[in-house]
Amino acid sequence: GENVEQHPSTLSVQEGDSAVIKCTYSDSASNYFPWYKQELGKRPQLIIDIRSNVGEKKDQRIAVTLNKTAKHFSLHITETQPEDSAVYFCAASGAAGYNKLIFGAGTRLAVHP
Amino acid sequence: GAVVSQHPSWVICKSGTSVKIECRSLDFQATTMFWYRQFPKQSLMLMATSNEGSKATYEQGVEKDKFLINHASLTLSTLTVTSAHPEDSSFYICSATGTGGPLEQYFGPGTRLTVT
Repeated sequence: GENVEQHPSTLSVQEGDSAVIKCTYSDSASNYFPWYKQELGKRPQLIIDIRSNVGEKKDQRIAVTLNKTAKHFSLHITETQPEDSAVYFCAASGAAGYNKLIFGAGTRLAVHP
Repeated sequence: GAVVSQHPSWVICKSGTSVKIECRSLDFQATTMFWYRQFPKQSLMLMATSNEGSKATYEQGVEKDKFLINHASLTLSTLTVTSAHPEDSSFYICSATGTGGPLEQYFGPGTRLTVT
């Protein structure tokens, strides 16, 4: 079945630095790639998503890139702030069943002032 | 728009009892609802997918007789954990997709279940 690998598992940066989280997926039929931010005890919050017909998408300090050939997609956060500290999950869907999301293992991001 | 609620937000039950968790789409019709389980410091693991009026599709390794899912209407799905045991203690999150948006899932706030 579909598998999504996410790296790194933890990431520590200084405020103002950039953070990059990378994911790979196994099923080339996947066509939707969302990224979620989750704070402790809260629901996952969609921060950006990309569809397979687009290579890059940006929303203010957040950007996502997709390489369909390599089956890689990445999250880029620039000018990080302490409030960006959270767990980030990538996911992929569209391959194994309608809308079924397969999540990566998560990245715990810590932004130090 | 696209609000999903869950009830209860947290529940404590004794081992051997059953617990029902409700997931509601408040302002849209949810054609498909999903149930996830998340253990501490782990990712969301999909348990099952349910479509209104039909039987849920369970992921491999999830016991359908233990985790009963009912999706009786376009705005309500329920997950019943039967004969709960301490290892069932987890954060249960539902999500829903609507008729207008084929891909994005809207997540509920989650239910923390503790089995003593």
